[in-house]
Amino acid sequence: QVQLQESGPGLVKPSQTLSLSCTVSRGSVTSGSYYWSWIRQPAGKGLEWIGRVSTGGSPSYNPSLKSRVTISIDPSKNQFSLNLTSVTAADTAVYYCAGVTSNYHFWSGYYTYWFDPWGQGTLVTVSS
Amino acid sequence: QSALAQPASVSGSPGQTIAISCTGSSSDIGDYDYVSWYQHRPGKAPRLMIFDVTTRPSGVSNRFSGSKSGNTASLTISGLQAEDEADYYCSSYTTNTTHVFGSGTKVTV
Repeated sequence: QVQLQESGPGLVKPSQTLSLSCTVSRGSVTSGSYYWSWIRQPAGKGLEWIGRVSTGGSPSYNPSLKSRVTISIDPSKNQFSLNLTSVTAADTAVYYCAGVTSNYHFWSGYYTYWFDPWGQGTLVTVSS
Repeated sequence: QSALAQPASVSGSPGQTIAISCTGSSSDIGDYDYVSWYQHRPGKAPRLMIFDVTTRPSGVSNRFSGSKSGNTASLTISGLQAEDEADYYCSSYTTNTTHVFGSGTKVTV
């Protein structure tokens, strides 16, 4: 089973860029078996999907964050990363990386998706 | 995009059956079998409990089941146990090629 681990600074100053990495172990970030996604949870609030990326495909982002987010893959490090620019206190949250599994339903022609596995999460605080 | 609507809390006694609803629209839940459910305990990674509306991954108790009608999905937990106490989130893919989570439901046993 693929395992994921987030890493990056726990403290970011307002207006700066939040950068996190997710290391993939027991699998390859370029295998094509997964899309790769970032999800966050502010304290006391629910889960919020940030975006996803796949090898050779176009990234997809939450419309509310799209202007500030970039998710990319680094095959040389077997990692994928999150960059969130111009952060404010509202971006303080636990950030999770996750693999997105897809399933093709032949008779209907649809793909379905779910998040599994997940990393343990990392707390990022935006403060001066 | 707005979060899918879930009740803030649901409670039950040990052995009882509870259901958590998740309401979206024809652009997400109502479009196809996109719904998945996650159990989230404090300080832990979320755990996949149901995918494709009704399918349980290996290792998930058969006390957990999922269903859908129109734009509303439901997660049912039967034979409620103390270990089921957690937050539960639904999620759906959307016709805009994005994903959305529910607002979350705290289950108290």
